[in-house]
Amino acid sequence: GENVEQHPSTLSVQEGDSAVIKCTYSDSASNYFPWYKQELGKRPQLIIDIRSNVGEKKDQRIAVTLNKTAKHFSLHITETQPEDSAVYFCAASENAGGYQKVTFGIGTKLQVIP
Amino acid sequence: ETGVTQTPRHLVMGMTNKKSLKCEQHLGHNAMYWYKQSAKKPLELMFVYNFKEQTENNSVPSRFSPECPNSSHLFLHLHTLQPEDSALYLCASSRSGAETQYFGPGTRLLVL
Repeated sequence: GENVEQHPSTLSVQEGDSAVIKCTYSDSASNYFPWYKQELGKRPQLIIDIRSNVGEKKDQRIAVTLNKTAKHFSLHITETQPEDSAVYFCAASENAGGYQKVTFGIGTKLQVIP
Repeated sequence: ETGVTQTPRHLVMGMTNKKSLKCEQHLGHNAMYWYKQSAKKPLELMFVYNFKEQTENNSVPSRFSPECPNSSHLFLHLHTLQPEDSALYLCASSRSGAETQYFGPGTRLLVL
């Protein structure tokens, strides 16, 4: 089955600095890679995603890169703000015929220091 | 935020109790999922239902029993749980042909 590794497990940055979270996956059948943000006591919410036919995607201060050959993908947050503080999960997903088989990383707790 | 709802939000139960968790989605999706979220561990997929049929069971102990009466509702029946089953139980849904899963707010379960 799929195995997703995520690091670092915790990350502290000064407000305004950039944050980078990295993930690797093992199953070449995975073709969709979402990133979720989970604030304390709240549900995971999708913040950005990338499909395997794309190498990079950007949405304002958030960007994701994917290297299919090396099987790794990364989340980049620029100009971090205190409200970016949360746990971020990467995931690797495969369409299994009408539903998704998703494997999540362990999560990265990001703290943005004002 | 109200596309996927879960009840109850918090639950405390003894090891001999029987309780049920409920999930409802108002998004017209066909697939529904149960995940377990424990501290310092990745989200663990427990069950998947696609058009009311169970398609995934990730070696979940039989003390967890899912039920999906229709594509909008998903239940997780709990009986004789163990303290290590204490966790946040998240429901999610997705639409056929689309990859994104939408999560409910979760049920925080404490087994005493």
